[in-house]
Amino acid sequence: NAGVTQTPKFQVLKTGQSMTLQCAQDMNHEYMSWYRQDPGMGLRLIHYSVGAGITDQGEVPNGYNVSRSTTEDFPLRLLSAAPSQTSVYFCASSRDGNYGYTFGSGTRLTVV
Amino acid sequence: QQPVQSPQAVILREGEDAVINCSSSKALYSVHWYRQKHGEAPIFLMILLKGGEQKGHDKISASFNEKKQQSSLYLTASQLSYSGTYFCGTLNAGNNRKLIWGLGTSLAVNP
Repeated sequence: NAGVTQTPKFQVLKTGQSMTLQCAQDMNHEYMSWYRQDPGMGLRLIHYSVGAGITDQGEVPNGYNVSRSTTEDFPLRLLSAAPSQTSVYFCASSRDGNYGYTFGSGTRLTVV
Repeated sequence: QQPVQSPQAVILREGEDAVINCSSSKALYSVHWYRQKHGEAPIFLMILLKGGEQKGHDKISASFNEKKQQSSLYLTASQLSYSGTYFCGTLNAGNNRKLIWGLGTSLAVNP
């Protein structure tokens, strides 16, 4: 079992560029979430999904889009990168709200 | 809405005990506990569900007081491997889909 796979592990973007962070899980989990982690800020929820075709906004959704066309994949799109989006991004999945989350290894994004 | 964790940091000697608290201003459905080591992803420790019992494994256990909207994580006879940052995450009773996290408690266990 691969668990939760995030790609890429590192990325440098120029301001204004767009990109997609990939997240895939092979555990048939319904719940998937994207978090960003900044020093002193803990983990902040960007977007989440409770099943294919169902997404919703978290605490800090501005500047990000998501879609969930399959149970396995939950990509995060940065529309026009800004330096404020420099962060470590984690994708996580869970069977449902009664179970713990499994995290991917993270993507370290730097916007210059 | 964000749960409040206390203390912010703890320094222990190996073998000592620690308690980390997590409190919310909203009615809770469940509380999650995770540990994160520097440069790594958070690792799930345990979940406490509304109406559930106190949970634990090995020397780490937790309790959930639904009326006070609080949870506590108990680390007994700490080991060097317990070092890291501990996060609580809460699911509110009105929306059990959005896991919101506290700012974390840094725990250092020294020999």
